[in-house]
Amino acid sequence: DAKTTQPPSMDCAEGRAANLPCNHSTISGNEYVYWYRQIHSQGPQYIIHGLKNNETNEMASLIITEDRKSSTLILPHATLRDTAVYYCIVRVPNYGGSQGNLIFGKGTKLSVKP
Amino acid sequence: DTEVTQTPKHLVMGMTNKKSLKCEQHMGHRAMYWYKQKAKKPPELMFVYSYEKLSINESVPSRFSPECPNSSLLNLHLHALQPEDSALYLCASSQDPDNIGNTIYFGEGSWLTVV
Repeated sequence: DAKTTQPPSMDCAEGRAANLPCNHSTISGNEYVYWYRQIHSQGPQYIIHGLKNNETNEMASLIITEDRKSSTLILPHATLRDTAVYYCIVRVPNYGGSQGNLIFGKGTKLSVKP
Repeated sequence: DTEVTQTPKHLVMGMTNKKSLKCEQHMGHRAMYWYKQKAKKPPELMFVYSYEKLSINESVPSRFSPECPNSSLLNLHLHALQPEDSALYLCASSQDPDNIGNTIYFGEGSWLTVV
């Protein structure tokens, strides 16, 4: 089962920052937080991931609280093309010779409006 | 280059047909995945291949048969499917099966319709 809680939907004005929250209160110390998005009818697109520290790349910033129980994905200047379902996923190591997998929750439907 | 290529993009098949979905990556990734996504639902993991060996089968019916002929290719063989199997089938890959800090990259998917 997914280990994250996200709001089902959010709106954001074009050009403004979009801040997408995610709760993962049961996260363990060796589990990563991943963010993907899925634009209608396309495959999931990787955005960013982190373990403990805040991360930034050309697409977004990931802010992880000090206790690691929640995080926020920030799209600094949202455009209409950022309208998508955003998935926050806690990736869990699988011990016993198998790798950790991405288990998707329901995500947040972000609508960027003119 | 983080490209995972899936073919065909669209497939319509009858319930008695045998067809295959193909996935290819040239990033040297050693883990490959199949996910299934029904309309308005999140993707669900089906199979995981690690170093060309099947490592995870999420209780998928035998009418879906995965195959990994080499480290760059992943197939999903389809036989005697039902209309409820109509979905978007997503392939993904990552570099090191044992490192969860490695990013998993997805293809654009194959839309399957069973009639």
